[in-house]
Order: sequence, then structure tokens, then C-alpha cells
Amino acid sequence: DAKTTQPPSMDCAEGRAANLPCNHSTISGNEYVYWYRQIHSQGPQYIIHGLKNNETNEMASLIITEDRKSSTLILPHATLRDTAVYYCIVRVAASSGSRLTFGEGTQLTVNP
Amino acid sequence: DAGVTQSPTHLIKTRGQQVTLRCSPKSGHDTVSWYQQALGQGPQFIFQYYEEEERQRGNFPDRFSGHQFPNYSSELNVNALLLGDSALYLCASSLALGLAGGHLEADTQYFGPGTRLTVL
Repeated sequence: DAKTTQPPSMDCAEGRAANLPCNHSTISGNEYVYWYRQIHSQGPQYIIHGLKNNETNEMASLIITEDRKSSTLILPHATLRDTAVYYCIVRVAASSGSRLTFGEGTQLTVNP
Repeated sequence: DAGVTQSPTHLIKTRGQQVTLRCSPKSGHDTVSWYQQALGQGPQFIFQYYEEEERQRGNFPDRFSGHQFPNYSSELNVNALLLGDSALYLCASSLALGLAGGHLEADTQYFGPGTRLTVL
């Protein structure tokens, strides 16, 4: 699976959009980009995933660049409850089954 | 619709003891994966079960073993506990999409709340 690079920490003001970047320059054509988040001492929560098109759901939007070497997770109106560690994971659709390889993620702190 | 459940929530053991952790997958899911998360680190994959067989294994010693039951629930067993086994143990479930070239392909994983194991 391709390696990902994320900033270790970010801050965001409550009510503003939080834009979390992820670099995955070695991504292959059959690899998906997944985002999970983990609020302190809880299990990771699935947010969104995509292959090459931008995706949106009730939680967030995922913007993947045309060359697929980077992506951005957007939380449109961040709240204090969005404070968490956010993990960007690249997952091969086939050969590695469903195992997820977590990096260190980005600690997002939403400030009042 | 029940999500992934794990028991117990917390557990304290001493070195050398054995422990069993339990996981019930999300309704409709048939695949269970286990992860270990040490303090301050991301989760690390231990192994994955489908059709009551271990399908993939991460870099963990044989002291870590598991089982999947016909109702898709799963157990994680750790023998001869070490201080370094203290961690949050996470179970994730998913729906298998099939076996391709001997490898299991499965849909999005959903995690349970975890079991906090402390080894003294």
C-alpha cells in the first residue's frame, strides 16, 4: 500500500471549514483513499473514501487531485466535537484484502 | 441497527496471564479484523477472520491467536502476557466481497469502541 504523509497537527476555529491535507505521491491506479478519525480513546470512525472522483457525504467532502497524488478532507463547518486524530489511508482494493495500515494521522483541534 | 460491539471495556491482567477479548460484528457483516493500538500510536493490524479461518496476519507473535464463530463473532486470545501488550484492542467488521487470487477483498471496515487492556 502507498505511504501517506499528513501534518502532525492543525487548528481550526469553530464554525469554519477544516481542510486536512494528505500526500500520497506513490499511489497506484487501483488504490483507494480512505479517511477515518479517532476521538480520544474511542474506536476509529469511518468518514469517507474515494478512488479518483471527488466524494461528499453527510460528514465531509473528499477532494482528490487529478494526478491522485494528494487529497484534502473538508469538514465544512467544524464543531468542537470534530476535535480528533484524522487518518488518511491508502488501501489496495484487491491484493491486501481489507487490512488498513494506519500512520500517525493529523491531530485536529477545533477552538471555540 | 447494532454497530460493532466489544467486551469487556476494560481489563487488568498481570504478566504471564492469558486474556480473551470478544467482538460482535455489525449486523450483516461477516469479516472481523483485530488491531492493537499502543498509547500515542496508530492502530496496528493483528489478523483478519473470514469463514472461520485466519485470512491475513500482521507482524504479531504466535502468542496472539483468534477464532471466529459460525455467527461471525470473534475472539482474540493473548497468552503469556507482557507489559508491552498493554494497549487498546480494536475490532473492525466488514462485508466480504469475495476471494480474488487467494486474497480476501472486503468492503469498508467499521470499528468497535475497543477494549483497554492493562498488563501489570
